[in-house]
Amino acid sequence: GAVVSQHPSWVICKSGTSVKIECRSLDFQATTMFWYRQFPKQSLMLMATSNEGSKATYEQGVEKDKFLINHASLTLSTLTVTSAHPEDSSFYICSARASKKWRETDTQYFGPGTRLTVL
Amino acid sequence: AQSVTQLGSHVSVSEGALVLLRCNYSSSVPPYLFWYVQYPNQGLQLLLKYTSAATLVKGINGFEAEFKKSETSFHLTKPSAHMSDAAEYFCAVSLSGNTPLVFGKGTRLSVIA
Repeated sequence: GAVVSQHPSWVICKSGTSVKIECRSLDFQATTMFWYRQFPKQSLMLMATSNEGSKATYEQGVEKDKFLINHASLTLSTLTVTSAHPEDSSFYICSARASKKWRETDTQYFGPGTRLTVL
Repeated sequence: AQSVTQLGSHVSVSEGALVLLRCNYSSSVPPYLFWYVQYPNQGLQLLLKYTSAATLVKGINGFEAEFKKSETSFHLTKPSAHMSDAAEYFCAVSLSGNTPLVFGKGTRLSVIA
């Protein structure tokens, strides 16, 4: 149990286009999802916290108009990178925290990540 | 504010040898502590977690970690390394289950045959 999927697993796009990344909790409901960014050989940096039915909370320095987050349901959050530029190339990882109906609400379950390359 | 320091960006051990990956944390309240493993081009897999219960925590794949409040440490150990243990390991801290994780910079474990 506690599986989180991301789609796509990798994407290559042209500069100036927008890319949407989906994060789904497959077998549990997630009231909160987190989006992280990881540069090569570095740690994960939190970008934003997404709560179902409300606006995402962005970390300092993260442009909310560039990285649009929508948490439309208890099993789906999306991250849209708008007008992507080469410096947005990175590994994007989401995590989901289970709702109280699950036992382990203190654990975040991570998706497999999405590698974005902007040409 | 919370922070995590992982000593050693790269650790190399022989197959069958003891694995010790160090993690020290800073937290203003009793922390939740986690160890995650990441294989190349993959997401993170939870190895084990400490959430104020037993101080010695056993995880998957033979790993365990001990929470030592006096040393503000949560080191990860495994008695005998396997080749399949080669990966990146991240220690993380959070205030609670509701708050985001703060990650250390990671330690890359290499296992030599």
